[in-house]
Amino acid sequence: EPEVTQTPSHQVTQMGQEVILRCVPISNHLYFYWYRQILGQKVEFLVSFYNNEISEKSEIFDDQFSVERPDGSNFTLKIRSTKLEDSAMYFCASSPRTSLSNEQFFGPGTRLTVL
Amino acid sequence: GESVGLHLPTLSVQEGDNSIINCAYSNSASDYFIWYKQESGKGPQFIIDIRSNMDKRQGQRVTVLLNKTVKHLSLQIAATQPGDSAVYFCAENFISNFGNEKLTFGTGTRLTIIP
Repeated sequence: EPEVTQTPSHQVTQMGQEVILRCVPISNHLYFYWYRQILGQKVEFLVSFYNNEISEKSEIFDDQFSVERPDGSNFTLKIRSTKLEDSAMYFCASSPRTSLSNEQFFGPGTRLTVL
Repeated sequence: GESVGLHLPTLSVQEGDNSIINCAYSNSASDYFIWYKQESGKGPQFIIDIRSNMDKRQGQRVTVLLNKTVKHLSLQIAATQPGDSAVYFCAENFISNFGNEKLTFGTGTRLTIIP
């Protein structure tokens, strides 16, 4: 069964450093998402992406964040200058968004630890 | 502001019994609702969904009920098994006139199945 994959599984970085979190969505999906989950809290929407552009973003997704689909398979989330409060699990999701299904398929997540 | 929330943070159920997890939502314009299961260290896993034009939907051992009058969503799990132990999130999906969608998660209920 096709699945969303994410790398790395755990990223440790120093405050102020740039990080890039990588995702490979399911191949025939057209809609891509990033979410984050701070330890013990709910999953929060960050951004949705369709047709090579951002379609929706939350107030969390400020100028420090950017997303890119550099090729036909990868979908990346970049944090330019990490802060301590960026420590969280980051989940990528993809969706076919057909008339039959809006289901979003989630990856296993990347745990980001900012020191 | 708009929010999705869960009534109970924890629920313990005897194996074999039925469980009911509740959720309240506040965005009356939301048109699609989903229940996700999250096991420790993993990403959210789709369980069942329901559109706003329905009030009940059944899957394998799971049933989702939607009461739009009181903006309430519930997940019923029949004949619970140890593998059902996880955190369960409800989520509401709102699709704007521009076709952009945003998934808003509740805080989660931890379901523990007692052998």
